[in-house]
Amino acid sequence: AQSVTQLGSHVSVSEGALVLLRCNYSSSVPPYLFWYVQYPNQGLQLLLKYTSAATLVKGINGFEAEFKKSETSFHLTKPSAHMSDAAEYFCAVSAYGNNRLAFGKGNQVVVIP
Amino acid sequence: DAGVIQSPRHEVTEMGQEVTLRCKPISGHDYLFWYRQTMMRGLELLIYFNNNVPIDDSGMPEDRFSAKMPNASFSTLKIQPSEPRDSAVYFCASGATQGTEAFFGQGTRLTVV
Repeated sequence: AQSVTQLGSHVSVSEGALVLLRCNYSSSVPPYLFWYVQYPNQGLQLLLKYTSAATLVKGINGFEAEFKKSETSFHLTKPSAHMSDAAEYFCAVSAYGNNRLAFGKGNQVVVIP
Repeated sequence: DAGVIQSPRHEVTEMGQEVTLRCKPISGHDYLFWYRQTMMRGLELLIYFNNNVPIDDSGMPEDRFSAKMPNASFSTLKIQPSEPRDSAVYFCASGATQGTEAFFGQGTRLTVV
């Protein structure tokens, strides 16, 4: 079975500062990893995904994530936070051959002007 | 494609009533998922289908919940009878082939009073 851990339910970041959201995964088989974003009263939108190609993955809105097998991590970063980045972010994992996603608890990001 | 379409967007019902949530997946997708989102438990996978066949319903909380997928373009999640603890946002998602991301609908916010 696959699972992910996201620490710190609420993350505050100043506008223009680095955004760093941590995700660690557990998987008995090579994982597929995802970051989704959820804006208020909206569904989940894919930010980026890792599917065993390049370990550094670039996504939408200036976000990127790096897959580190040795650390079982897939942390999400953005160099400079914007007010529009305020949302909830979910890390998710699945196994190849199975679209079933297991989600972390999410990080609520607040951007301080 | 218009994306995953869920209806209704909001549902308020009285305890004991039957509730039916509807989902139209993206055309051509062969996986369909039903998730429930609450503050306490986060995103939980309730059930998923592959080619209209239920594959894993271990996340369905109890017998009051049932899901069907009569054809590739329609699925329902039914709660009968509904209880206040069923209040949550229910998401439908669909996916194509193996190991790809899931595409989410806007969700149905269910309130049982």
